[in-house]
This record gives sequence, C-alpha cells and structure tokens, in this order.
Amino acid sequence: GIQVEQSPPDLILQEGANSTLRCNFSDSVNNLQWFHQNPWGQLINLFYIPSGTKQNGRLSATTVATERYSLLYISSSQTTDSGVYFCAVPQGGSEKLVFGKGTKLTVNP
Amino acid sequence: EADIYQTPRYLVIGTGKKITLECSQTMGHDKMYWYQQDPGMELHLIHYSYGVNSTEKGDLSSESTVSRIRTEHFPLTLESARPSHTSQYLCASSEIRTSSYNEQFFGPGTRLTVL
Repeated sequence: GIQVEQSPPDLILQEGANSTLRCNFSDSVNNLQWFHQNPWGQLINLFYIPSGTKQNGRLSATTVATERYSLLYISSSQTTDSGVYFCAVPQGGSEKLVFGKGTKLTVNP
Repeated sequence: EADIYQTPRYLVIGTGKKITLECSQTMGHDKMYWYQQDPGMELHLIHYSYGVNSTEKGDLSSESTVSRIRTEHFPLTLESARPSHTSQYLCASSEIRTSSYNEQFFGPGTRLTVL
C-alpha cells in the first residue's frame, strides 16, 4: 500500500518563528489533506490540496504531485498552533485515507 | 449548522461491558468512516460505509461492528470491551459529488478507556 512519511517528527519553536513541515508519499494520489490535531484530540481540516498552492491566513500549503511531496508552511507561529499536524492521502485510488505519523509542533511563548 | 457529532466524548468502563459509540452528521454526506488512534500515533481506518445498508471493514482489524440504517447515523459497537480497546475513536464523513473529491471531515472523537 501507499506509504506516507512526515518530517520532522518533532518541532519546537518560539512564538513568531516560521516553519515548514514536509509530507512525502510513495505513489500517485488524486488528493491530499492536511490536518491539525489540537490538544483535545480533534482533527481540524487545514487544506485539501491535490496539487498547487493554497493559502489561509498564516498557513499555506504546496503539493507537487509529480514529485510526490507536500509542504505546509506556518508563518508567525502562535502558541495556539501547537499540536500535531497530519497529512493524509487516499489508499490506491480508493476513498480510504492513509495518514502519516504526524509532526508534533510545540510553540513556546 | 453542518457538523459531525460524537457521543460520549469520554468513556471509562469495565472489562466485558457492551458499548456503543455514537456518530451522527448533518453534513448531508453519503460516506462515513471510523478511525482508531492510539496516543501519539497515526490514525487507522477500521470501518467505512458508502451509504445506507453498506458497511465495510478497513485496513486495521477491529473487534467492533458498525451499522448504517440512516444516512446521518453510523454507530460503532463493542460487544465485550477489553483493555486492548482503549484508544481514541474518530468518526468522519465525506461527499464524492463535489469538486473536493473525498475531502473528509472529522468529529471531535471519543476517548475510550477500558479498565
């Protein structure tokens, strides 16, 4: 099945810093989602981004489908950005999502 | 407001009890999913449904069962809970008839602890 690798596994920042999270996947995909899991465990949709670049406030994402990777950029980080960031792609053209192991982000005041 | 609801949010029970985790959505979506997540780990799909009377097992083997009698409702049942079932269970839904093919949206989750 498709493999999803996220890096780095852990990231510690000071408030105001910028960061880039990476998601590599082993096969062609027709969609990709980025999620933020908050400390209470809820998954928040950040981006649905099968290709190209999207921006939402301080967050932006880029997927280069031909090279099988996606990047999530967080600018001017805030303590509320802390949590785990997951990327997920469909398994073998199906609707079943396969998740990476996540990047745990800690933003210190 | 369109949303996905899960109850209970937290559940602590003893071994051998039968439990049902509730999931309902007002998104108008056809497809629904159950994922299991151990602390600090990735999510794994355990059940999914394409619509009413459709249920399929996911990639991670689970002793739980599901039913889909109504479009908006997708409960998960454990007949006899064991400590190995301790985990977080997340429900999701998606709609294929949009430009965002299979974009999945998640409920708040149920944290289950079996003593």
